[in-house]
Parts: sequence; C-alpha cells; structure tokens
Amino acid sequence: DGGITQSPKYLFRKEGQNVTLSCEQNLNHDAMYWYRQDPGQGLRLIYYSQIVNDFQKGDIAEGYSVSREKKESFPLTVTSAQKNPTAFYLCASREGLSYGYTFGSGTRLTVV
Amino acid sequence: AQTVTQSQPEMSVQEAETVTLSCTYDTSESDYYLFWYKQPPSRQMILVIRQEAYKQQNATENRFSVNFQKAAKSFSLKISDSQLGDAAMYFCAYREETSGSRLTFGEGTQLTVNP
Repeated sequence: DGGITQSPKYLFRKEGQNVTLSCEQNLNHDAMYWYRQDPGQGLRLIYYSQIVNDFQKGDIAEGYSVSREKKESFPLTVTSAQKNPTAFYLCASREGLSYGYTFGSGTRLTVV
Repeated sequence: AQTVTQSQPEMSVQEAETVTLSCTYDTSESDYYLFWYKQPPSRQMILVIRQEAYKQQNATENRFSVNFQKAAKSFSLKISDSQLGDAAMYFCAYREETSGSRLTFGEGTQLTVNP
C-alpha cells in the first residue's frame, strides 16, 4: 500500500544533541512538508520541498534542517539550536494542486 | 501571510444531532483551496472535505458538508447525524497556490460526542 512512513514513533533526545526524524513516501509525490504540532495548537510549517535537491523554510525553521536527496525521502534534523524541540512532528506529501495532503503517523519527540 | 481562525476551542454534540464548526480566514488571493481535517486520538490527520474557491457550490461528503461564504471568508463544517467516531480535533486549513502550496492551519476545535 502507498503511504508515508515516519520513524521512529517516539524519540527521546538529550539536551544539546542533534536528532534526525525520518520521512519516507512511496506515493511518487513531488512535494513534501514538515509540520510541528504543540499541545492544543494547530500545525505550523517548518520546511517544505517541491522537488528533489530544493527546499524552502516555513514559518518556524530556526533550529531545524532538512535535505531532499531523493524524491521518496525528506528527513528532518532537530539541532541543538532548537530551544524547545519537545513536540509532535508530522510529515506530509502532496499529489497535485487539486488535492489535499497525505500525512504520516507522526513522531513524538521529547527532550530529557 | 494568510491566517486561519477557529473561534471555538471546544464543541460538544449529542449523538445523532447536528453540529457546526466555524472557520474564518484571511487572504488576498482569489484562487485557493480550503480543507477540513480530522485528528482522532491516534493523531493521524484525516482529510474530511475540501472546497475549491472558484466553485460556488458547497462541498458535501456523506454526513459532512460545508458552508463556504467567499466574500465573508468563512468556511464552516456541518456534521449531521453525529456519531461517537466523529469525536476528534478538527482543523480548518487554507492552501495558497503560491509558496509551494503550503497549508496554513487553524488552532483546531475539539469535538466531543455525547451518547
């Protein structure tokens, strides 16, 4: 079945460490997105990529980095510069202009 | 930047009754898409319904329908014959056709369905 796979489901990080969240899709979608969700809040855009080897900052990119070396993969690195990284992270991809997004099941990141 | 506002942090409805969730947005664009997403406790985002701004006819998907008022920049979701499985967080989202077709979300409405 086609879809988006995010791993791991739960991730714990010590302060000062970088950590990478995985996002893989087999939908052949060109565009991919990373969102952050805090308790009781909506989703905020971190980074997005419309094609391979190209990506743009969203609204809250500080402290995060991404790469898009393959169409299927869009990993997100949470760096030590991100002051409050504990949150739920959702990856999404988009098929075409007339459709909505397909979302992964998310990664819950906790700083310990 | 576009903004999406959901003024009802929480709503409740009795099973089998109808409930309407409100959403307003701000944009200067004429072509765009609007969406309602459902997020149950599993936290999986599920597309409920979408509306193209150029279409005057309101979208309908089974028990879910929207009231799209373009001039008022309003996009409400009506859930008819509410079921226990409808209980979830509901997000209204706006998609602009520039800037990578990014989605901008409202803060959500937590819907409780009472048996």
